[in-house]
Amino acid sequence: QQPVQSPQAVILREGEDAVINCSSSKALYSVHWYRQKHGEAPVFLMILLKGGEQKGHDKISASFNEKKQQSSLYLTASQLSYSGTYFCGTAGIQGAQKLVFGQGTRLTINP
Amino acid sequence: SAVISQKPSRDICQRGTSLTIQCQVDSQVTMMFWYRQQPGQSLTLIATANQGSEATYESGFVIDKFPISRPNLTFSTLTVSNLSPEDSSIYLCSVEGQGPSGQYFGPGTRLTVT
Repeated sequence: QQPVQSPQAVILREGEDAVINCSSSKALYSVHWYRQKHGEAPVFLMILLKGGEQKGHDKISASFNEKKQQSSLYLTASQLSYSGTYFCGTAGIQGAQKLVFGQGTRLTINP
Repeated sequence: SAVISQKPSRDICQRGTSLTIQCQVDSQVTMMFWYRQQPGQSLTLIATANQGSEATYESGFVIDKFPISRPNLTFSTLTVSNLSPEDSSIYLCSVEGQGPSGQYFGPGTRLTVT
């Protein structure tokens, strides 16, 4: 089943923060986050494995609450380059390599 | 991360014909994945291709419509058969990185069926 992302779209000014949520109704082995710019392929951002860890690089980080089957992506002090559509991809226990993607969150950063 | 190329990058095909999409990776990988992304939509997994075995198809996708070949560890093809306008979409291949890692996507093939 497809994970649910929220919000569907968000518009920010440069320097503002954003949180994108990903929620699944099934037990998860891992959560992946990707960013896709218009006309380009999705780009891998990070993977979170079950264990409730938080990861991050630069000003983008993510958390994974396996009990709630939820993950959140945090973008702080957003930059114009952060614009794009963000997808979470989830892998269940049985098929750890196969990903089911959420519907996407469109992030627009304005100057 | 792997470097992945796809051919063709785009094509316009007539209904009833077929299109074969090639995916080449610069390193040996066990699993390759084929996705479809309809305009403005999310990515949907079509099938997983392992070298030396039959591809595993997801619900709603069948081998007759989407035959896949995986002749070696760096190459795969996806054929979209008996094309209809509903097949107009972007088709992407991807591979997994080393260790617990994300997937790396090819640039995609934009198919338009007229």
